[in-house]
Amino acid sequence: QQPVQSPQAVILREGEDAVINCSSSKALYSVHWYRQKHGEAPVFLMILLKGGEQKGHDKISASFNEKKQQSSLYLTASQLSYSGTYFCGIYGNKLVFGAGTILRVKS
Amino acid sequence: EAGVTQSPTHLIKTRGQQATLRCSPISGHTSVYWYQQALGLGLQFLLWYDEGEERNRGNFPPRFSGRQFPNYSSELNVNALELEDSALYLCAIQFGVTEAFFGQGTRLTVV
Repeated sequence: QQPVQSPQAVILREGEDAVINCSSSKALYSVHWYRQKHGEAPVFLMILLKGGEQKGHDKISASFNEKKQQSSLYLTASQLSYSGTYFCGIYGNKLVFGAGTILRVKS
Repeated sequence: EAGVTQSPTHLIKTRGQQATLRCSPISGHTSVYWYQQALGLGLQFLLWYDEGEERNRGNFPPRFSGRQFPNYSSELNVNALELEDSALYLCAIQFGVTEAFFGQGTRLTVV
């Protein structure tokens, strides 16, 4: 079952914050977050495991609420380099990704 | 260091032909995933191979098939190509529930 991401796209100015959400109809045990820049392969950002912990990667952090079966990715003080498409992935018996959120940071 | 090599980088085929895409995981990773990424769409799960066997497949027609060799490299075959098969095909390796490493992909264009 493919996770649902929102929003589909977001445009920011440098320094602004953004939140990308990922929800699943099935129980979540782990959530992956990846970023794909245009013309490149997706790159791993972080993984959150069952337990509600929050992880961080530079100024990008994420939370995982297993009761609500959702995860959120927080981008703080966005930089031009944050532009790309963000995917969340959930692992059941295979790694399935959401449709992606296109993030564009403008100067 | 873990990594994934895919070949060819680009492939142009005519409708009705067959395409063969290859994926070579380094460092002896046994598990290989294939994804299709059509223009503007997300990563659609295609196939998962582990220890030489197909473990799971996505919602794709049977003309999408593949195999995994004893050295854990993998092949994706697409028969009777259709225009809508044009996409970036990505191969990834993963340890259990840990991070996945993606190859650079094969851009398949069907004309």
